[in-house]
Amino acid sequence: AQSVTQLDSQVPVFEEAPVELRCNYSSSVSVYLFWYVQYPNQGLQLLLKYLSGSTLVKGINGFEAEFNKSQTSFHLRKPSVHISDTAEYFCAVSSSSGTYKYIFGTGTRLKVLA
Amino acid sequence: DAGVTQSPTHLIKTRGQQVTLRCSPKSGHDTVSWYQQALGQGPQFIFQYYEEEERQRGNFPDRFSGHQFPNYSSELNVNALLLGDSALYLCASSRMNTEAFFGQGTRLTVV
Repeated sequence: AQSVTQLDSQVPVFEEAPVELRCNYSSSVSVYLFWYVQYPNQGLQLLLKYLSGSTLVKGINGFEAEFNKSQTSFHLRKPSVHISDTAEYFCAVSSSSGTYKYIFGTGTRLKVLA
Repeated sequence: DAGVTQSPTHLIKTRGQQVTLRCSPKSGHDTVSWYQQALGQGPQFIFQYYEEEERQRGNFPDRFSGHQFPNYSSELNVNALLLGDSALYLCASSRMNTEAFFGQGTRLTVV
């Protein structure tokens, strides 16, 4: 079984400042890791994914994440945020068997302040 | 490519009624998964359909059932609706070794 913990329910940050959203996971098998973004009244949009290979993953809109197997973490970072980044961010894990049943964290609400 | 489409976008039902939600997967995808997202929570896996069979199921009661058609589209049925079934229902499609793509969801309100 897998589980995901997003340590921060809300993260306020000023525009153009850097941000890190934290995600830790637990799993007894090899996993794939994902970050999704959800804007109000919208579905989920994939930001980035880690399947294998380089532990530093770059995604859309300037986001990146680093897979750390020893710390079972997959933190999301952006060096300079914009007002338009205000949204809910979800970390998700699935087993690497390829069936893509996702276990999601409870989400982190990023609020970018002017 | 229209992506994953869900219908309807919103609906309101009364306790005890039954509801059917529909999902058309992204072109080329053969697997459909359904998730329930309660307000302020992360999505919870309901079940997954592949080759018209339920392949995996999450911790949801039998009131939640589904179907996949030969064209890979899918339905989610919920019987005997409870107030607690009010949520955003998300459909996701995928195929082996690709990530899931999500639809915009159906907002169900049970009154």
